[in-house]
Amino acid sequence: KQEVTQIPAALSVPEGENLVLNCSFTDSAIYNLQWFRQDPGKGLTSLLLIQSSQREQTSGRLNASLDKSSGRSTLYIAASQPGDSATYLCAVRRNTGNQFYFGTGTSLTVIP
Amino acid sequence: SAVISQKPSRDICQRGTSLTIQCQVDSQVTMMFWYRQQPGQSLTLIATANQGSEATYESGFVIDKFPISRPNLTFSTLTVSNMSPEDSSIYLCSVAHRGEAFFGQGTRLTVV
Repeated sequence: KQEVTQIPAALSVPEGENLVLNCSFTDSAIYNLQWFRQDPGKGLTSLLLIQSSQREQTSGRLNASLDKSSGRSTLYIAASQPGDSATYLCAVRRNTGNQFYFGTGTSLTVIP
Repeated sequence: SAVISQKPSRDICQRGTSLTIQCQVDSQVTMMFWYRQQPGQSLTLIATANQGSEATYESGFVIDKFPISRPNLTFSTLTVSNMSPEDSSIYLCSVAHRGEAFFGQGTRLTVV
């Protein structure tokens, strides 16, 4: 069974800092990996999708990398802003089936 | 992308009652997914809803407690039956569109 772990569980940084969130998964036979943002009590907003054949994806200040062989992905946030404060979740989809497996998330607080 | 409208966004219910959550997608999709997110935890898949057939439930979830309807390719409902305080969670519906997962805004349920 696929297990997804995110480190750290919580992170607090001053505004303007660059930061890295980590995601690891146990089964490298993945179809893709997706990073989401979740605001308190709300649904999930898709940030970046990385296909299994890709190494990284970028969107604005966000950059996600994927090392499938080592079972790791990172989300890099440049020049953090208070509006980036949220919980960030990664999810992997296996090659077989349609289920997504979610990590436990990293709660990010950006201090003005 | 896929846009999902989920309602209600939140509700406070008495124990022993039932609540039906609705999800409407702006495009036709084969499968819709229902997740539960308990306080402070990540997402757990409840069931996969296919149009024209019975939903497929994950281990620990049963149809009597979480009946699902899928009358067409753009709509699904999840009912939380005979609620107890342990059912207090965020419930989310999701679809996969071209391999990418999209979510509704979630239903925040509190059972008192």
